[in-house]
Amino acid sequence: NAGVTQTPKFRVLKTGQSMTLLCAQDMNHEYMYWYRQDPGMGLRLIHYSVGEGTTAKGEVPDGYNVSRLKKQNFLLGLESAAPSQTSVYFCASSRLAGRDEQYFGPGTRLTVT
Amino acid sequence: LAKTTQPISMDSYEGQEVNITCSHNNIATNDYITWYQQFPSQGPRFIIQGYKTKVTNEVASLFIPADRKSSTLSLPRVSLSDTAVYYCLGVQAAGNKLTFGGGTRVLVKP
Repeated sequence: NAGVTQTPKFRVLKTGQSMTLLCAQDMNHEYMYWYRQDPGMGLRLIHYSVGEGTTAKGEVPDGYNVSRLKKQNFLLGLESAAPSQTSVYFCASSRLAGRDEQYFGPGTRLTVT
Repeated sequence: LAKTTQPISMDSYEGQEVNITCSHNNIATNDYITWYQQFPSQGPRFIIQGYKTKVTNEVASLFIPADRKSSTLSLPRVSLSDTAVYYCLGVQAAGNKLTFGGGTRVLVKP
């Protein structure tokens, strides 16, 4: 099992450019999440999904869109990148909601100049 | 979701026991206390979870008093590889969200 994988690992964007971050999990989990982590801070939830074809807003959704067309994949899109979106992005998945353990990917380090 | 407060940092030495106390005065009846560990340049990893009293697994112990307003994560006999940030979270039993605070940066020295 690879667990949760993220693509790419690093990316540098110019302001206004767009990109998509891919998250894949091979654990057949229903729930998937996107978080961002700024330097020295805890993680903040951007969007999440409770199953294939569903998405919902988290704590900091502005400037991001997501899609869950397949159960194993959760995509995070930035339509027009801004320097404030410079961060490390983590994807996670869990079998159940609530207090069930979340499994995190290795992260994508994004810099917007 | 319960707001949690924990020390910003702690230093320890190899072989010692590390205890990290987390305050959660407004914890809800259906919140579980959950701890995650994060190494540099990695995603967080679940360590342990409890509702009340004591929970122990192969990695740590979690002590939660009867009033549930605080909890203590205990790491026995730490090694250098236990250097990490430890997050205390109050997690709703039926919710979908984890709310991470700043965590406690634990540095284990030789």
